[in-house]
Amino acid sequence: EAEVAQSPRYKITEKSQAVAFWCDPISGHATLYWYRQILGQGPELLVQFQDESVVDDSQLPKDRFSAERLKGVDSTLKIQPAELGDSAMYLCASSLLATGNTGELFFGEGSRLTVL
Amino acid sequence: GEDVEQSLFLSVREGDSSVINCTYTDSSSTYLYWYKQEPGAGLQLLTYIFSNMDMKQDQRLTVLLNKKDKHLSLRIADTQTGDSAIYFCAEFGGGYNKLIFGAGTRLAVHP
Repeated sequence: EAEVAQSPRYKITEKSQAVAFWCDPISGHATLYWYRQILGQGPELLVQFQDESVVDDSQLPKDRFSAERLKGVDSTLKIQPAELGDSAMYLCASSLLATGNTGELFFGEGSRLTVL
Repeated sequence: GEDVEQSLFLSVREGDSSVINCTYTDSSSTYLYWYKQEPGAGLQLLTYIFSNMDMKQDQRLTVLLNKKDKHLSLRIADTQTGDSAIYFCAEFGGGYNKLIFGAGTRLAVHP
């Protein structure tokens, strides 16, 4: 069964360091999402791609976060420098249809970040 | 504002029914969802309901939608220990062209 792949599963870093997360969506899924889930809260959208284009990054802290999906397939989310408040689960999801679909997202297992 | 609200915790006995409630904000939302998250895992879509429906049944799951009160519920019949997880309500469409999640309800099933 096709899955959304994410790496690393766990990352521990010190504040002010740079971290990067990678996501490979389900093959053929045009839309890719990065969500942040703080412990005890629901996921919050950071950035949404349609193919290689960003369609929503309104909640992405652009002073320290960046995301790219250069060839419209896999994606990287980077944080530099990391802060204590960035400790969270970073979830990648993909969907088959474009923005405005039924909202059926397929999630990866997430990358848990701990900033010390 | 964007605010989907859920109760944080529900405890039920194995074999009983569970009812998880949610209130959402945007009356023009087109779809409403229930996602399940098991420990250490990503979210899995359980079911969804289109806004012009008031009920949807899928095996042990029943979704009820009250558009007037902007209230959504998920009923799990014959709850099993494998149903223990966090359940997220989410809305899509209307003014927000993205999924807005609630904080999740942790369901604990005990013998």
